[in-house]
Amino acid sequence: QQQVKQSPQSLIVQKGGIPIINCAYENTAFDYFPWYQQFPGKGPALLIAIRPDVSEKKEGRFTISFNKSAKQFSLHIMDSQPGDSATYFCAASTILNYGGSQGNLIFGKGTKLSVKP
Amino acid sequence: EAGVAQSPRYKIIEKRQSVAFWCNPISGHATLYWYQQILGQGPKLLIQFQNNGVVDDSQLPKDRFSAERLKGVDSTLKIQPAKLEDSAVYLCASSLYRGLNTEAFFGQGTRLTVV
Repeated sequence: QQQVKQSPQSLIVQKGGIPIINCAYENTAFDYFPWYQQFPGKGPALLIAIRPDVSEKKEGRFTISFNKSAKQFSLHIMDSQPGDSATYFCAASTILNYGGSQGNLIFGKGTKLSVKP
Repeated sequence: EAGVAQSPRYKIIEKRQSVAFWCNPISGHATLYWYQQILGQGPKLLIQFQNNGVVDDSQLPKDRFSAERLKGVDSTLKIQPAKLEDSAVYLCASSLYRGLNTEAFFGQGTRLTVV
């Protein structure tokens, strides 16, 4: 119930394309859903995050779509660029009081994105 | 604003040896996390500190892993004795406090290779 399932494992798109990465969760106590971007040799960095009270959030070229009833959320990258080539992780957490696990991020397995010039 | 600092960046040890990693979180951040990231997988939480107290160590293999956060600032993670399956990147992260502002900032990690 603590798992976050992420797909696809890898993705190759042409510059300007719109890669979409999907995640699904089971635990309805999750109330915070961030996406992290990780470049080789670096730690993950927060890209964008959403709470379950909204269905979509956009920041620049990055958009999260959230479907609470289906317990799914996805990341869309508009007008993708070669510099977006990285590994993307979805995650889930609880930010309301949920005992010791509050704030702990449960990560998906990651999607390696390659954007071809 | 300085980020989360970790050292060393790389470490190679033989199995059954011991190793320690150090983390200095962002100044003022009360919550500190250690995550283990095995190659090709997402980070997995090992332990969470709130100031200098442990709030969640349910996934820490306590027979070989230990962690402390003295004075609520720096933290060390130790493995003794190491096993081959401990080869991974160990990431330290910090956040301002638990709950409402959950954004976690990660360090670059320490890549451990056990041979």
